[in-house]
Amino acid sequence: KAGVTQTPRYLIKTRGQQVTLSCSPISGHRSVSWYQQTPGQGLQFLFEYFSETQRNKGNFPGRFSGRQFSNSRSEMNVSTLELGDSALYLCASRHAGGRDEQYFGPGTRLTVT
Amino acid sequence: AQKVTQAQTEISVVEKEDVTLDCVYETRDTTYYLFWYKQPPSGELVFLIRRNSFDEQNEISGRYSWNFQKSTSSFNFTITASQVVDSAVYFCALSETLNTGTASKLTFGTGTRLQVTL
Repeated sequence: KAGVTQTPRYLIKTRGQQVTLSCSPISGHRSVSWYQQTPGQGLQFLFEYFSETQRNKGNFPGRFSGRQFSNSRSEMNVSTLELGDSALYLCASRHAGGRDEQYFGPGTRLTVT
Repeated sequence: AQKVTQAQTEISVVEKEDVTLDCVYETRDTTYYLFWYKQPPSGELVFLIRRNSFDEQNEISGRYSWNFQKSTSSFNFTITASQVVDSAVYFCALSETLNTGTASKLTFGTGTRLQVTL
């Protein structure tokens, strides 16, 4: 089975721009979560989607949004980019959205200049 | 609020030494799940183990073993006979259980960087 895939792997954007990151979960997995990893704040939860519905959301401003499609693929969008948004964005998928372990993708490294 | 503490920021050992990575957690949930993940330089988080709050049995998988002690809110990870390939950042994580009974977001510790040298 293919693992979680994320595109693009690397991205450079300018302050004020917006960006969309994509995540394809493991086949059969219906839950997708997004995390931000920075040296200062560590790994922080952004949001989780299950069956196209946002089920949980972390403490991030409204500039961070996401969605999930009927095929369980997910996208996250960051508008009006700030320098502090530079981070590794990790997507994780889980089978039933319950107690199952999350499997992570390789991440998208976003650099905001 | 949930919290995971990994007090060891960085550990250096020589190959073949045993090493224990500490993890202490805080939660008000009675049902919760604990995890360990490995993050090699490539960046991808690799799942190692999941333990639920009702199962305090220690687990061994090859050179890896985990000690879960609810009384001290700890979930420590030991690598026996460490190898250079074990060099990575290791994260302990705690899942939050929603009122629907399903586990959701993970709260991660700050990670422990393990450096194994020859």
